[in-house]
Amino acid sequence: DIQMTQSPSFLSASVGDRVTINCKASQNINKYLNWYQQKLGEAPKRLIYNTNNLQTGIPSRFSGSGSGTDYTLTISSLQPEDFATYFCLQHNSLYTFGAGTKLELK
Amino acid sequence: QVTLKESGPGMLQPSKTLSLTCSFSGFSLSTSGMVVSWIRQPSGKSLEWLAAIDWDGDKYYNPSLKSRLTVSKDTSNTQVFLKITSVDIADTATYYCARNWFDYWGQGVMVTVSS
Repeated sequence: DIQMTQSPSFLSASVGDRVTINCKASQNINKYLNWYQQKLGEAPKRLIYNTNNLQTGIPSRFSGSGSGTDYTLTISSLQPEDFATYFCLQHNSLYTFGAGTKLELK
Repeated sequence: QVTLKESGPGMLQPSKTLSLTCSFSGFSLSTSGMVVSWIRQPSGKSLEWLAAIDWDGDKYYNPSLKSRLTVSKDTSNTQVFLKITSVDIADTATYYCARNWFDYWGQGVMVTVSS
């Protein structure tokens, strides 16, 4: 089974900040890595698929990068609506989610 | 427009079998490459993938839960079902279904296991 280690678990930031969230896989996942945003009481929403492909309708301040076992979600300039919880998902071998990063307003 | 919606019993007793339905529109599970998955999320916790079924009827299960799970689909390819046997309190969660590589999700259905 592939394990996903996501960091940090919590992140405090201000509007306008640049933030990064990381996911490390227990083995090579060949860029089969998605990122999701989840707000309280809502289903997750896909932001990025296959490492660096922006989902239609998602603002360009969101970007993804990585390869092998290490992947990063970057939000270039935080907006008020971005404060939420973020998850990564590997789909190289079955499916495994990261534990999540709660992004809070500083 | 792709939509998915989960339905379930709301509450059930420990040791019972949980039956969930995912009803969807805007795509057909008979289309090559289509997959519908089940995922759950205990309150305040992360997401856990449970099972998936693809357009060809192939089934995939989370190895840690495989013995308790059964995923199936209807003949019209507009519904997917999940059964979880011998539920206990740890199965209390919001259950979601999602399409393909989790591009579209249902709103989720909350299931509480309690005596």
